[in-house]
Amino acid sequence: KAGVTQTPRYLIKTRGQQVTLSCSPISGHRSVSWYQQTPGQGLQFLFEYFSETQRNKGNFPGRFSGRQFSNSRSEMNVSTLELGDSALYLCATSPGGVRETQYFGPGTRLLVL
Amino acid sequence: AQKVTQAQTEISVVEKEDVTLDCVYETRDTTYYLFWYKQPPSGELVFLIRRNSFDEQNEISGRYSWNFQKSTSSFNFTITASQVVDSAVYFCALSEFGIQGAQKLVFGQGTRLTINP
Repeated sequence: KAGVTQTPRYLIKTRGQQVTLSCSPISGHRSVSWYQQTPGQGLQFLFEYFSETQRNKGNFPGRFSGRQFSNSRSEMNVSTLELGDSALYLCATSPGGVRETQYFGPGTRLLVL
Repeated sequence: AQKVTQAQTEISVVEKEDVTLDCVYETRDTTYYLFWYKQPPSGELVFLIRRNSFDEQNEISGRYSWNFQKSTSSFNFTITASQVVDSAVYFCALSEFGIQGAQKLVFGQGTRLTINP
């Protein structure tokens, strides 16, 4: 079974731009979660989608948004990028039931200049 | 609020030594899950183990073992006869559940483990 895939793997943007990251889950997984990892704040939960609906949301500003498609693939978007948005963005997927293990993708490294 | 504390920021040992990574958690939930993930330099978080709050049995998988003690809210991870390939950042995480099965992981700050040859 193929693992979680994330594209692109690396990205360089400038302040004020917007960016879209993509996550394709393991086959059969319907829940997709996004996490941001920075040296200062560590790993923080952004949001989780299941069946195209956002089920859970972390404490991030509205510039961070996401969506999920009918094939369970998910995208997250960050508008009006700030220097502090530079981070590793990790996607994690699970089948979608209650209390399941989340499996992570390789991440997208975003650098904002 | 849920909280996970990994007090050891960095550990450095010589190959073949045993090493224990500490994890202490706080939660008001009676049912919860604890996890350990490994993050090699490539960045991907690799799942190692999941333990539910009702199962306090220790677990051993090869050179890895885990000690879960509900009385002290700890879930420690031991690597026996460490190898250079064990070098990575290790994260302990606690699950937090919302409505409709929604869940998120609350992570500790991680422990950077370096195994020197």
